[in-house]
Amino acid sequence: GENVEQHPSTLSVQEGDSAVIKCTYSDSASNYFPWYKQELGKRPQLIIDIRSNVGEKKDQRIAVTLNKTAKHFSLHITETQPEDSAVYFCASRGSNYKLTFGKGTLLTVNP
Amino acid sequence: GAGVSQSPSNKVTEKGKDVELRCDPISGHTALYWYRQSLGQGLEFLIYFQGNSAPDKSGLPSDRFSAERTGGSVSTLTIQRTQQEDSAVYLCASSTQDGSYEQYFGPGTRLTVT
Repeated sequence: GENVEQHPSTLSVQEGDSAVIKCTYSDSASNYFPWYKQELGKRPQLIIDIRSNVGEKKDQRIAVTLNKTAKHFSLHITETQPEDSAVYFCASRGSNYKLTFGKGTLLTVNP
Repeated sequence: GAGVSQSPSNKVTEKGKDVELRCDPISGHTALYWYRQSLGQGLEFLIYFQGNSAPDKSGLPSDRFSAERTGGSVSTLTIQRTQQEDSAVYLCASSTQDGSYEQYFGPGTRLTVT
């Protein structure tokens, strides 16, 4: 089955700096790659996603890049703010509608 | 519109008892998923429903776990003879099958087995 690896497990940055989280996946048939943000005690919420026919997607301070050849994708957050502090999960969707999630990255943005 | 809802929000039960967790998906969403999230861990896939059928039950950890969905809407996840290792947050998500793959999550049920 699909295996998704996510790094780093924790990331601490100063406010205003950029943060990058990286994921790799194993199933070459995977075609959809969402990123979820989960604040403490809250439900995961989709922040950005990318499909396999696109290499990069940007939404304000958030961007995701996808390299299908290397089977990896990354989340980039620029100009980080304290409210960006949360756990971020990457995921990939294979041919059976199932999302396989990475183990998460705890991002802390220090004021 | 209303999002995914789950009940109860918290459940404390004694080891060996059975529990039922409920999920109400977004109206019109044909796909429904159950996940388990242990403290500080990622989301572990349990089961997927398309309509009332479950084409993928591969994530159910043991035969103590079962789930059903009726009327293409509400789903219940049942855990029989609960064990302490079943303690976790159980999350439900739903999505359409119209090519938009986004899964919308419910608030979860925090299960504590004492």
